[in-house]
Amino acid sequence: DTGVSQNPRHKITKRGQNVTFRCDPISEHNRLYWYRQTLGQGPEFLTYFQNEAQLEKSRLLSDRFSAERPKGSFSTLEIQRTEQGDSAMYLCASSAGTGSYEQYFGPGTRLTVT
Amino acid sequence: AQSVAQPEDQVNVAEGNPLTVKCTYSVSGNPYLFWYVQYPNRGLQFLLKYITGDNLVKGSYGFEAEFNKSQTSFHLKKPSALVSDSALYFCAVSAGYSSASKIIFGSGTRLSIRP
Repeated sequence: DTGVSQNPRHKITKRGQNVTFRCDPISEHNRLYWYRQTLGQGPEFLTYFQNEAQLEKSRLLSDRFSAERPKGSFSTLEIQRTEQGDSAMYLCASSAGTGSYEQYFGPGTRLTVT
Repeated sequence: AQSVAQPEDQVNVAEGNPLTVKCTYSVSGNPYLFWYVQYPNRGLQFLLKYITGDNLVKGSYGFEAEFNKSQTSFHLKKPSALVSDSALYFCAVSAGYSSASKIIFGSGTRLSIRP
């Protein structure tokens, strides 16, 4: 069990470009979450998967954002036409399933949009 | 709507003294409460949780938290602080009625332990 991993750890992109982040959850965790954290704030929920099904999306997730978890294992978060306001730390978390309430977080991907 | 408040942006404590980091919450239904810690350049680490049962829950690194339903509080405590406890601490509440629910985080409290 190596924990939740995220790639890349850092991404610098120009405004208007598309970016994609990857999250690999703890093996056998069937729930996967994406959060966004800006400086000085707590993480804010973006979206959640149970296996490959995306079950909830935040209003924060505009139509420029899309997330997938095609085989119920790793997940990707894509941001199209990035804006400077998208600059943040993007966190992924996973949890084991029914009766397991805590989520385990990866190290995050820091996005800077110039 | 569910929410979490951490009234102190920063808490300063001398090493060896007891520490308390305050948290209050607002939920409809039974609260599922958590504390996480974030060290520089590292991800959030789970410390402890309250789901049901004893009001005093124990977690990692000697931390504990006391659930108080009447005061809607879930304060984090440690009897004797270490310099290595210096970090950013987040209180959080589950936003729904199942273990699958998203977590709502407070704004964080920076804990600084002086030698």
